[in-house]
Amino acid sequence: DTEVTQTPKHLVMGMTNKKSLKCEQHMGHRAMYWYKQKAKKPPELMFVYSYEKLSINESVPSRFSPECPNSSLLNLHLHALQPEDSALYLCASTHAGYGGTDTQYFGPGTRLTVL
Amino acid sequence: LAKTTQPISMDSYEGQEVNITCSHNNIATNDYITWYQQFPSQGPRFIIQGYKTKVTNEVASLFIPADRKSSTLSLPRVSLSDTAVYYCLVGEGGGGADGLTFGKGTHLIIQP
Repeated sequence: DTEVTQTPKHLVMGMTNKKSLKCEQHMGHRAMYWYKQKAKKPPELMFVYSYEKLSINESVPSRFSPECPNSSLLNLHLHALQPEDSALYLCASTHAGYGGTDTQYFGPGTRLTVL
Repeated sequence: LAKTTQPISMDSYEGQEVNITCSHNNIATNDYITWYQQFPSQGPRFIIQGYKTKVTNEVASLFIPADRKSSTLSLPRVSLSDTAVYYCLVGEGGGGADGLTFGKGTHLIIQP
């Protein structure tokens, strides 16, 4: 199984809502990532978890809260988002460490719309 | 900040070979070069990775000159389904966000 799954596929939320995005992989990978991608722009790294510990936080606003309950699961909790946070949220995983040599396996993304 | 520069867009025709060049003038000794392909509303997909000289797999070749300041992704006999954005990433293993920083990418459009 070389798949990263993300749920939901689409999400519409109001600015006062609390919602969560979920990412799962069963490849035994020990690093997992969240990226944000706006239309016609490249993916931007948000968070990196390595061995279930937060290793990189790219100065992301606190209204985005990541969580890694176990090595197969990565969540992104959303609260009090702004319309400009509307984007495609991508999850990825790599075998061991993170950086420039491990192949990243990406999920299909969650299309988020904030009203 | 991305360590790479690529053409914003390229056009070609079915059956042609396409070469996309990426500049990475400040590449470090331990850095590898990795290319990803992305279709609209999908996650990027790994194509190929290399350190020096030439690497070939079932879908592409990667040419890296001796100074490693650039690299060229070569797609043989493209089809309409190769229309996508192609990203070149440069970074080393063992930690750090450099290899996780996407540049602007090259939008490749294949015409019949």
